[in-house]
Amino acid sequence: EADIYQTPRYLVIGTGKKITLECSQTMGHDKMYWYQQDPGMELHLIHYSYGVNSTEKGDLSSESTVSRIRTEHFPLTLESARPSHTSQYLCASSDTREVETQYFGPGTRLLVL
Amino acid sequence: AQSVTQLDSQVPVFEEAPVELRCNYSSSVSVYLFWYVQYPNQGLQLLLKYLSGSTLVKGINGFEAEFNKSQTSFHLRKPSVHISDTAEYFCAVSYYGGSQGNLIFGKGTKLSVKP
Repeated sequence: EADIYQTPRYLVIGTGKKITLECSQTMGHDKMYWYQQDPGMELHLIHYSYGVNSTEKGDLSSESTVSRIRTEHFPLTLESARPSHTSQYLCASSDTREVETQYFGPGTRLLVL
Repeated sequence: AQSVTQLDSQVPVFEEAPVELRCNYSSSVSVYLFWYVQYPNQGLQLLLKYLSGSTLVKGINGFEAEFNKSQTSFHLRKPSVHISDTAEYFCAVSYYGGSQGNLIFGKGTKLSVKP
């Protein structure tokens, strides 16, 4: 059973606000990921991390930023939210000893008005 | 560019009927293949994966998939579906030599099981 948590689950916020989406995992996994998911579309990788102090941009350009100060924590920040940021954001983690298998959190649904 | 194609965006089926969800990928190199399921308002859960060995892979909830290298396919099957199988299913691929561990997803297939 994967233990990966995301908060908040739902967020409605006004344009221009700064927001941070939280993601934590208790499995000690070294790799963590953020995906953006829109209805009828592929999941798009926006950020990933190989471990503490490592962050990389994914395939989809994003105005968000991430940090990895602790192994278990991988928050995503939007400095100034816009309606185009409305989406579902999924966090995932994986153990490099378990080839390629990613475990997902429940997601955060973001609505920017 | 590498890609994953799920040929059906929606599949309606009656309870206890068999179902096949199709997935094709583009590749000139070796791959790892995955199927994930997403229930409403939840994250993705791993159903099964192919890494190597036998081309027929069995997963949770009675699902199985067959890797066909010549057809670059990894179709998901279940011989008898339940109402509780109603969900969205995502096929994903990871390529040898790609960004380590990164997955490329298809657009998903919504399976709707009717009584």
